[in-house]
Amino acid sequence: AQSVTQLDSQVPVFEEAPVELRCNYSSSVSVYLFWYVQYPNQGLQLLLKYLSGSTLVESINGFEAEFNKSQTSFHLRKPSVHISDTAEYFCAVSEGAGGTSYGKLTFGQGTILTVHP
Amino acid sequence: DSGVTQTPKHLITATGQRVTLRCSPRSGDLSVYWYQQSLDQGLQFLIQYYNGEERAKGNILERFSAQQFPDLHSELNLSSLELGDSALYFCASSVGTSGVREQFFGPGTRLTVL
Repeated sequence: AQSVTQLDSQVPVFEEAPVELRCNYSSSVSVYLFWYVQYPNQGLQLLLKYLSGSTLVESINGFEAEFNKSQTSFHLRKPSVHISDTAEYFCAVSEGAGGTSYGKLTFGQGTILTVHP
Repeated sequence: DSGVTQTPKHLITATGQRVTLRCSPRSGDLSVYWYQQSLDQGLQFLIQYYNGEERAKGNILERFSAQQFPDLHSELNLSSLELGDSALYFCASSVGTSGVREQFFGPGTRLTVL
C-alpha cells in the first residue's frame, strides 16, 4: 500500500516570489508520481508526472518537481509565482511497472497555494 | 475541458435516499475510476472499471455500487445516504489500467445530503 503526505495544508506567498510545495510518499514497491492542480469549482488537471528517467520533471507553465528516491520526496517548485497559480495542489502516487493496483491514484491531503498581489 | 463528462453537477437529497451519478469517459478510454473528495477524508479512490469489468476496489462502502456499461459510460449508485456521504465525487478515465497512463478528471458531482 502507498501513502502520501503533503506537509503544508496552506502556503501563502506574494506574486513573483518562489514557492515549494512539499510531498513525501511511502511505498513498498516502485511508484509513479504525479502533481495535480485543482482550480476553484473545477476538476483535477495533471500538472506533471515522474515515470522514469530524469528525476527532474517540468510542466509547461513553469513548475518543476524533483524525484528523490532516498528521501521518498517529490517536492513541487516554481521560481516565480503568478496570481493565476492560486489553486489547490495534490501530490499523488500509483504503483509502478508490474503493479497490480490497475493505476489507481493515492492522493495527499492537498496544499492550498494562495498568491497575493 | 478534459473530455470527461459527469452529470448532474449538483445533487441535493435527504438521508436514507438513493442517487445515481453518471460519468462518460473520454472517447477511446476504456478505464473509469471513481474518487470521493470530502473535507475530512480528502481525495479517496473508490472503484475502477475497465471495459465493463470491475478491476480494483478502494474504500468503497457496501451501500455504494458502480457499473460500467457496454458504451463505456459508468454509474455510481449511492444508497441509504447519510450526512457523511456529502462530498464531491469525481470520475476519471484513462486509456488503460497502468499507472503510466494519465487519468483525465471530470468536473465532479457535488452531493449534499440533508
